[in-house]
Amino acid sequence: DARVTQTPRHKVTEMGQEVTMRCQPILGHNTVFWYRQTMMQGLELLAYFRNRAPLDDSGMPKDRFSAEMPDATLATLKIQPSEPRDSAVYFCASGLGQGVITNTEAFFGQGTRLTVV
Amino acid sequence: TQLLEQSPQFLSIQEGENLTVYCNSSSVFSSLQWYRQEPGEGPVLLVTVVTGGEVKKLKRLTFQFGDARKDSSLHITAAQPGDTGLYLCAATDSWGKLQFGAGTQVVVTP
Repeated sequence: DARVTQTPRHKVTEMGQEVTMRCQPILGHNTVFWYRQTMMQGLELLAYFRNRAPLDDSGMPKDRFSAEMPDATLATLKIQPSEPRDSAVYFCASGLGQGVITNTEAFFGQGTRLTVV
Repeated sequence: TQLLEQSPQFLSIQEGENLTVYCNSSSVFSSLQWYRQEPGEGPVLLVTVVTGGEVKKLKRLTFQFGDARKDSSLHITAAQPGDTGLYLCAATDSWGKLQFGAGTQVVVTP
């Protein structure tokens, strides 16, 4: 049963600490998305990758957030330093896409619920 | 400004009733997707509509893509408590980003 795996599922950290969230996309998928979900803003696209290359990260606060794909089986999202306003559920999703402008169907992980106190 | 506007924001109905939720935009899309999200889980893809005027059925769910490919609707017939969830529409914008609407929270009570 292919699925996107995210770790950790829950994270509570103190303001100023570094947070790393990990994602294992579905084998064979070439596109990875990172979203943040809050009650106020809904699902916001932070960054996405195609064939491990970052295509867009304009949704991320550049001074504190970074997203990478060290290899095809791992995507990471880091926040350093974390702030209380970063508290949200962070979702990773993967899919198959061709070209830059393509309506990729996204398969989501269960998310990482981050609380920064 | 949201690329995709969903309405209503919240819908509470009794089991057995019908409901329709809407997804509208001023942009034209090559295709549009609908997802359902349950508490504590990620969104799950329900359907992708591609052709203007297309109607797709998934058991008691009927999805329609507008003729101009700017809007879509989801109709649920004889809703059941298991249909409770957040319904999200999504589409790829002109920059290649998969964007979501704010969602419609549907609650079906027994």
